Amino acid sequence: QSALTQEASVSGTVGQKVTLSCTGNSNNIGSYVVGWYQQISHGAPKTVMFGNSLPSGIPDRFSASKSGTTASLTISGLQPEDEADYYCSAWDYSLNAHVFGPGTKVTVL
Amino acid sequence: EVQLVESGGGFVQPGGSLRLSCAASGYTFSPYAMGWVRQAPGKGLEWVSALSGSGDDTYYADSVKGRFTISRDNSKNTLYLQMNSLRVEDTAVYYCGKSLGGSGWSPHDYWGQGTLVTVSS
Repeated sequence: QSALTQEASVSGTVGQKVTLSCTGNSNNIGSYVVGWYQQISHGAPKTVMFGNSLPSGIPDRFSASKSGTTASLTISGLQPEDEADYYCSAWDYSLNAHVFGPGTKVTVL
Repeated sequence: EVQLVESGGGFVQPGGSLRLSCAASGYTFSPYAMGWVRQAPGKGLEWVSALSGSGDDTYYADSVKGRFTISRDNSKNTLYLQMNSLRVEDTAVYYCGKSLGGSGWSPHDYWGQGTLVTVSS
């Protein structure tokens, strides 16, 4: 069982806004920067957000926020190429380990 | 351009050993922490190990503690993962990742393409 919880799946039409959530506790999300990783068809992960910073090359329709022990990733203006699995992760100081969520499958209808 | 290239994966019998390498280029290697994340067939991402930029601090998932050793050679810009006493459940694609900062708790900003490790009799 993952230390972080995510929705199993989220879907939307092209152009729609979707929000993915990642819930942890004060030992992880509440204390550390959250990374969001996109994985298309089980290829190599790609970082789409860390904290609320956008890596270079990632379109600005991606944004992130955090409130207490829940982090969120928002895709504003969903595109067909956004269809992928999205994982959140953070350091957990009680486990002395990185923890990952189980992933959210985003489907573009 | 940051590039991370893993190598060393392959087929090994239970109880065997493998050493994975991750060659980094396109940035100054030594200040940044590095780590390994794996993905078993059909499963999600699982964190394996992390190493600080200085190499002084190492971290391991409970599932690999005592069997895997992470290390780095800053003169060769290369990260390693020595895997001993391999088990069937270690079968996965192993990805190396560059961390945002020098501490092992930093998230990754770049990833390699992965190398497949298959443990089977």
